[in-house]
Amino acid sequence: AQTVTQSQPEMSVQEAETVTLSCTYDTSENNYYLFWYKQPPSRQMILVIRQEAYKQQNATENRFSVNFQKAAKSFSLKISDSQLGDTAMYFCAFTASNTGKLIFGQGTTLQVKP
Amino acid sequence: DVKVTQSSRYLVKRTGEKVFLECVQDMDHENMFWYRQDPGLGLRLIYFSYDVKMKEKGDIPEGYSVSREKKERFSLILESASTNQTSMYLCASSLYWDTEAFFGQGTRLTVV
Repeated sequence: AQTVTQSQPEMSVQEAETVTLSCTYDTSENNYYLFWYKQPPSRQMILVIRQEAYKQQNATENRFSVNFQKAAKSFSLKISDSQLGDTAMYFCAFTASNTGKLIFGQGTTLQVKP
Repeated sequence: DVKVTQSSRYLVKRTGEKVFLECVQDMDHENMFWYRQDPGLGLRLIYFSYDVKMKEKGDIPEGYSVSREKKERFSLILESASTNQTSMYLCASSLYWDTEAFFGQGTRLTVV
């Protein structure tokens, strides 16, 4: 079975600093994708970043980047120059071609402090 | 913009009632998903569908059923609501298995 684990229930960071959120996953598949989603206090979930498993290059989207360690099954999210609007719950997610399931982790609540 | 609309934002139902949660997407997406979100447990997949009339069980299907008679609509059914089904329910859709999922605003269901 595929699983996604986020071991940090809550984190905080000062505005303008950098923070890293951790995620590990377990799968025996080779063809899969990993995602980070953001859920602000208003509750609408949105995609932050997406990584294809067969690409070695880490994905980046402006201030957001990932550290994808395939052998270690680790997929962390780095937020640089944190902004107050980054305050949200962040979810790591996984999907594989053979199942079509989109599986989420437990989430990490991030508080950006002024 | 893709829009995923859930029929209710808040819902209060009595134990034993049959409950229908509706979800509609407007972008011709193949896949649709139902999750429940509980503190500390994240999003747990209840059911998903990859085509009309097709459905697959997720990780916690017990006590739920689904219906997808049309491509744009995916309904979650609680056959006999129980208090342990009090939760936030999120619907999502995606074009293909490897593409971005778009979420509805959620339905906060309380079973009393």
